[in-house]
Amino acid sequence: NAGVTQTPKFRILKIGQSMTLQCAQDMNHNYMYWYRQDPGMGLKLIYYSVGAGITDKGEVPNGYNVSRSTTEDFPLRLELAAPSQTSVYFCASSSGLGWDTQYFGPGTRLTVL
Amino acid sequence: SQELEQSPQSLIVQEGKNLTINCTSSKTLYGLYWYKQKYGEGLIFLMMLQKGGEEKSHEKITAKLDEKKQQSSLHITASQPSHAGIYLCGARHGSSNTGKLIFGQGTTLQVKP
Repeated sequence: NAGVTQTPKFRILKIGQSMTLQCAQDMNHNYMYWYRQDPGMGLKLIYYSVGAGITDKGEVPNGYNVSRSTTEDFPLRLELAAPSQTSVYFCASSSGLGWDTQYFGPGTRLTVL
Repeated sequence: SQELEQSPQSLIVQEGKNLTINCTSSKTLYGLYWYKQKYGEGLIFLMMLQKGGEEKSHEKITAKLDEKKQQSSLHITASQPSHAGIYLCGARHGSSNTGKLIFGQGTTLQVKP
């Protein structure tokens, strides 16, 4: 099983550019999440989804958008990149059943210059 | 201040020594997860604790949950270089399964051979 996959692994953007971070899972999980990790700050939840067609904001949603058209995929969109969005982005998924465990992808390291 | 505080923020130990990392919540804990992250990689699930007084072990790592103190501890016995990395705790602060976790800021562990 591939688990949770993310692409790209690294990306450098110029201020104002747009991009989509891809996330896919093959575990048939209902719940999916996007986090960002900044040094010394732990992980902050950006958006999450409890199923296809259902998304909701987390702690730090500003500057990002998501969609969930299928169970497997949960892309994160940055419309107008800003230096404050320089971070490592992690996608995770969980079954949503009982006290489930979140499984994480390897991350995307994004730099905005 | 953060809802979930980890201490210490960083730790350097000699190989073979024992160590403890603490995770303290400002809210009632309904579940506590421990993850390990190696530099440049995703998070690997270690253990989940749900009930007060619960204790789980995996190889040389033991985690305990003190519900009254709203605190969890992670103890590593006879540390090895393979234990090096960032340890993060994640907490559920609600009794219903919304799936969302709040994470601590992480504890960076170095093990000197």
